[in-house]
Amino acid sequence: DAGVIQSPRHEVTEMGQEVTLRCKPISGHNSLFWYRQTMMRGLELLIYFNNNVPIDDSGMPEDRFSAKMPNASFSTLKIQPSEPRDSAVYFCASSRTRFDEQFFGPGTRLTVL
Amino acid sequence: QKEVEQNSGPLSVPEGAIASLNCTYSDRGSQSFFWYRQYSGKSPELIMSIYSNGDKEDGRFTAQLNKASQYVSLLIRDSQPSDSATYLCAVKGAGGTSYGKLTFGQGTILTVHP
Repeated sequence: DAGVIQSPRHEVTEMGQEVTLRCKPISGHNSLFWYRQTMMRGLELLIYFNNNVPIDDSGMPEDRFSAKMPNASFSTLKIQPSEPRDSAVYFCASSRTRFDEQFFGPGTRLTVL
Repeated sequence: QKEVEQNSGPLSVPEGAIASLNCTYSDRGSQSFFWYRQYSGKSPELIMSIYSNGDKEDGRFTAQLNKASQYVSLLIRDSQPSDSATYLCAVKGAGGTSYGKLTFGQGTILTVHP
C-alpha cells in the first residue's frame, strides 16, 4: 500500500519567492495534517483538515502561510513570500479519522536563502 | 510548562540491555498516546499506541500508561544498535482547543552501543 506522498523532497529557494508543498494522503484516510519540524521548536502542528475542511489552523505562523485541500487525495501548503526563518522540514500526515493513528510522509526539506 | 515533556537525553545503553524512555503530559483528559521513532533525516514512524492504563506489549516494545500520574513510558528489551534513533512521545488532546490534535514531546535520543 502506498503511504503518504509528498513533493518535492527538497526545495531550495531565495527569500521572497513563493513555495508550494504538496501532499497526497493515504487512500481512505479522512484527516490530513501539516507539521513543521525544526531543531529549536521540534515538531509542530500547523493545520489539519477533516473531510477536506480545515478544522484548526491555529498553528499557522502568519498570513504568509496558507493551506488548501481541494479534494480527498491532494493538499498544498503555500508560503508567500518565503523567509529564511521558514527553513525547516515540513511533514504531511494522514489518519483514517482525526482520532486514529497518524502516518507521516517522507517530508519536504525547505531551505530559504 | 510544556504540554508533553521528555528527557532529551541522549540515553546510551549497551546492546542487549533494556532502554527506558519516559514522557509526562499536562492534559489530564487525554485518552490516546503514541510513540514514534525517528531516524536521522527520516520521518516519524509509529511504533506503539496505547489508550488504557497498564502495559501493552508488541515484540521487544512495551508501552506503559498511568493516567493518574499523567505518565507514559516505552521499554525496549534486548536493545539493538538499529534501535538508535530519536523517540517521540505524542499525546492526543481531549477537548477544547486541543481536541483531536497531536502534541509531540521534544524527543529522546537513544544510542545503543555494541
